[in-house]
Amino acid sequence: DTAVSQTPKYLVTQMGNDKSIKCEQNLGHDTMYWYKQDSKKFLKIMFSYNNKELIINETVPNRFSPKSPDKAHLNLHINSLELGDSAVYFCASSQERGSSSYEQYFGPGTRLTVT
Amino acid sequence: GESVGLHLPTLSVQEGDNSIINCAYSNSASDYFIWYKQESGKGPQFIIDIRSNMDKRQGQRVTVLLNKTVKHLSLQIAATQPGDSAVYFCAENIGGGADGLTFGKGTHLIIQP
Repeated sequence: DTAVSQTPKYLVTQMGNDKSIKCEQNLGHDTMYWYKQDSKKFLKIMFSYNNKELIINETVPNRFSPKSPDKAHLNLHINSLELGDSAVYFCASSQERGSSSYEQYFGPGTRLTVT
Repeated sequence: GESVGLHLPTLSVQEGDNSIINCAYSNSASDYFIWYKQESGKGPQFIIDIRSNMDKRQGQRVTVLLNKTVKHLSLQIAATQPGDSAVYFCAENIGGGADGLTFGKGTHLIIQP
């Protein structure tokens, strides 16, 4: 059983387009995240959602918007794609604050290529 | 700037030897640390974690050491195997839980036969 899944795995698109990446977790976790991994493998937090409330937004351009239809899903919408948006995007989930462990479970990643 | 970093970007070890991957952090308020392994084309996988009230924690073939005095974290892998080849990340959490993890830059562990 897949704990955290993302679709699509690969996404190739042109500059200026709008695209979405979907994420689902079946772990019953209350918090979900989006991370961006650049070409140098550096992972950086973009968003986290807890009970449909945005917790943090690490200076991400407003072209990026997370959408959470329910606790098990956190989709990432990107408008007006730019070349610099090319990266691997990871979704993750964890138990909410107060849990004994802050371990985050990561999805397989979505490789976005903007041409 | 980032508060978590690694001393070496690449570490090459002989199969069967022990591996030690180091990490430095700068925020003394960090109270939770975690090591992840990322294989090519996959998402990060949890290895082991440790809270700031501990100095050492052991798992299966792995040990994490935390030295709060010098803000240093290390991951020791015993009897390194070919399957251990991956990029290893340390990460920290400040405040706990939903605040997200701050990752270091990663160390690429290469296993030589």
